[in-house]
Amino acid sequence: EDKVVQSPLSLVVHEGDTVTLNCSYEVTNFRSLLWYKQEKKAPTFLFMLTSSGIEKKSGRLSSILDKKELFSILNITATQTGDSAIYLCAVEYSGYALNFGKGTSLLVTP
Amino acid sequence: ETGVTQTPRHLVMGMTNKKSLKCEQHLGHNAMYWYKQSAKKPLELMFVYNFKEQTENNSVPSRFSPECPNSSHLFLHLHTLQPEDSALYLCASSQERQGANTDTQYFGPGTRLTVL
Repeated sequence: EDKVVQSPLSLVVHEGDTVTLNCSYEVTNFRSLLWYKQEKKAPTFLFMLTSSGIEKKSGRLSSILDKKELFSILNITATQTGDSAIYLCAVEYSGYALNFGKGTSLLVTP
Repeated sequence: ETGVTQTPRHLVMGMTNKKSLKCEQHLGHNAMYWYKQSAKKPLELMFVYNFKEQTENNSVPSRFSPECPNSSHLFLHLHTLQPEDSALYLCASSQERQGANTDTQYFGPGTRLTVL
């Protein structure tokens, strides 16, 4: 059965800390892995990863995919309170379907 | 299994057809959402229902008509669609706890819609 597992489910850190969020998957006919940040309503897109070992970076956020071990990590350095959100991982597979994980709820305290 | 199911998983329709997408959540949540995911575009929020009441309609054309008969079921009725409406339509649900800033949304697998 196709599945996407995120860990941890929730995390509390202090401003300035670095966090690593994990996403592992088991899907047939993998196409891409996507990271989203959900703050209020619609999740906002962060990264799309299709190739192993190539880091994608946007400011303090970065992400990398390991297609051999079937996982991805999302790193956030020098966290700020504005990073508090739910981070969703989704895997696109055959037929262009999306399979979402349950999310990691991140709280950054001042 | 996220507790949110969608049917059908794939749908091909002509521009003059009328069809409906169905979403069901088994999580006891109070809010349900319709999203559109087009190729190479961000996830677009279409409609939000809270306790069966529509609370958001993000300028969606009237050829998309949502219906929420109860907190567990959400429909998207489609008629006279255009080829550019072809996309993955995702349903999600969340608890909507009182006083909570954000509640995790649980997504269904989506319906892949192709309009010919």
